Amino acid sequence: QKEVEQNSGPLSVPEGAIASLNCTYSDRGSQSFFWYRQYSGKSPELIMFIYSNGDKEDGRFTAQLNKASQYVSLLIRDSQPSDSATYLCALGGYQKVTFGTGTKLQVIP
Amino acid sequence: ETGVTQSPTHLIKTRGQQVTLRCSSQSGHNTVSWYQQALGQGPQFIFQYYREEENGRGNFPPRFSGLQFPNYSSELNVNALELDDSALYLCASSSQKRGSGNTIYFGEGSWLTVV
Repeated sequence: QKEVEQNSGPLSVPEGAIASLNCTYSDRGSQSFFWYRQYSGKSPELIMFIYSNGDKEDGRFTAQLNKASQYVSLLIRDSQPSDSATYLCALGGYQKVTFGTGTKLQVIP
Repeated sequence: ETGVTQSPTHLIKTRGQQVTLRCSSQSGHNTVSWYQQALGQGPQFIFQYYREEENGRGNFPPRFSGLQFPNYSSELNVNALELDDSALYLCASSSQKRGSGNTIYFGEGSWLTVV
């Protein structure tokens, strides 16, 4: 089992809709979780981090964490074509961050 | 803009050659990590440097080596390049603190092509 699992997609949503990106992880001891956005040909950009169970909101983005189910998700409200990118889920550790392979999101105008 | 700068941005090397990639960390950050991202994959941890010493290493052979300097900048060196080393090399800086989950911020990356 991979440490961080994501559906590679592509996930296609119409403009204005809610995009839901999901991630599961295997290490029950994980304490910190991150979402990065990566445009084609660019480096990953931090969108959000979450440490506690529940929801964390930042503008159009909401991260959700359920440690009991080992599940992290990212909701993007009012999706825009500019949100089209690959979204990387990541787990923080003392020395390294472990990334999933990413989910490609396509927002259709 | 994360304040993490990397050079060069693109380079092409021949199999068997050696390459050095450079990174300046964000102001106030004392820890530098290097990641390799192959096409279609997530970034893979190579190693981390803290206080000029290697502070953790991923599953990469010894021909991947690094340095951190007193100003917290860093170098990644790869010897005996192989075709599979073709990837985006990402430098990430963070501020080391106790516990887990240091947030890392990436530079723009260095695209390495080995032919």
